[in-house]
Amino acid sequence: KNQVEQSPQSLIILEGKNCTLQCNYTVSPFSNLRWYKQDTGRGPVSLTIMTFSENTKSNGRYTATLDADTKQSSLHITASQLSDSASYICVVRDQTGANNLFFGTGTRLTVIP
Amino acid sequence: NAGVMQNPRHLVRRRGQEARLRCSPMKGHSHVYWYRQLPEEGLKFMVYLQKENIIDESGMPKERFSAEFPKEGPSILRIQQVVRGDSAAYFCASSPDTDYGYTFGSGTRLTVV
Repeated sequence: KNQVEQSPQSLIILEGKNCTLQCNYTVSPFSNLRWYKQDTGRGPVSLTIMTFSENTKSNGRYTATLDADTKQSSLHITASQLSDSASYICVVRDQTGANNLFFGTGTRLTVIP
Repeated sequence: NAGVMQNPRHLVRRRGQEARLRCSPMKGHSHVYWYRQLPEEGLKFMVYLQKENIIDESGMPKERFSAEFPKEGPSILRIQQVVRGDSAAYFCASSPDTDYGYTFGSGTRLTVV
């Protein structure tokens, strides 16, 4: 069964600290993996996308890693800011069709001053 | 390019009424996807459409729900005879082709009272 699991479910950190969010998946055959940021009351916004051959990708203070062998990805946020408070969703796409996206339930990050 | 536009942002309906949710994809995007998100849950796929065609509606309830993406105008998600359980955030996403990333709208929050 194709699944995407994220951990932790929620996380609270102090402003300025770093954090790492995890995503494990069983989706096969794998096409790509995206991390989205979803602010409360807003739609998800893409942060990074990685294909099978990529094992790291950065977008400002966000760095995503991918280990296609172990089917794990992480999203590392450095020097967190209050505006980083949001849900971070891992989405994995398989190769079998345009629509085959598998969503994790997200990690709810709260950055406090 | 205004991005994916959804309206209304908030919609309140009494039980038994009809709800119509509209989605205008990004310019040049011919693929539209509808997702539903319940509070504290992840996004769940409902339906995938291309212009004038429903490609995959496997995530959409067989009764009361319908979707269309006409040749002209926005995509419409229609919920007839709404019930309390339909209360959720409904997100639309669009893409220019099947291999490109999705851009999400800000969602329509439906509340059934």
